[in-house]
Amino acid sequence: DTGVSQDPRHKITKRGQNVTFRCDPISEHNRLYWYRQTLGQGPEFLTYFQNEAQLEKSRLLSDRFSAERPKGSFSTLEIQRTEQGDSAMYLCASSFQISAVADTQYFGPGTRLTVL
Amino acid sequence: AQSVAQPEDQVNVAEGNPLTVKCTYSVSGNPYLFWYVQYPNRGLQFLLKYITGDNLVKGSYGFEAEFNKSQTSFHLKKPSALVSDSALYFCAVRVGSSNTGKLIFGQGTTLQVKP
Repeated sequence: DTGVSQDPRHKITKRGQNVTFRCDPISEHNRLYWYRQTLGQGPEFLTYFQNEAQLEKSRLLSDRFSAERPKGSFSTLEIQRTEQGDSAMYLCASSFQISAVADTQYFGPGTRLTVL
Repeated sequence: AQSVAQPEDQVNVAEGNPLTVKCTYSVSGNPYLFWYVQYPNRGLQFLLKYITGDNLVKGSYGFEAEFNKSQTSFHLKKPSALVSDSALYFCAVRVGSSNTGKLIFGQGTTLQVKP
């Protein structure tokens, strides 16, 4: 399977604990995006990378959230001191952007986080 | 502010009948519009996109969408619905310059196709 993969698929944690999610994009895709989706809502943009550079972060991304893409390949999203409000599906997407024409983002299966 | 609206929470259609899932947008500049489908406990699957050119865009699984600039709409259509089309559908618009790739999604529309 050459699609976007995410690990773990499910994570249950207690409030106050730290969690880290991993995303492996489609090979050679230079852009990687993180979104958050809560029940009954559409995905909301969190942040994105062009290669290893983090170019934009949403105001949704509080100081407890950090994302990295150290070698321009896989990415990690860490949430420190989790809160119940962090419970959501965290989606990763990747794309190949070479021009001003809108690239297509391909999504992974998501990581469902439940904070107790 | 740039936004996308999907006015219907749910659309019900009988198998074999045509289906339409509505989407309207509000953006400054040229819109880049997308449709995605989400099955339970899975990520979003890309269906089709409008960049420029022909207002009728054809996509995966027999879906198509019509871009209407005057009505700022981008409705998803299929001539003959299948039970397997039952899923959650999202319309999205890309905002910003070519250096900003983020998508803004609508709230989603649940499509229920009954046998």
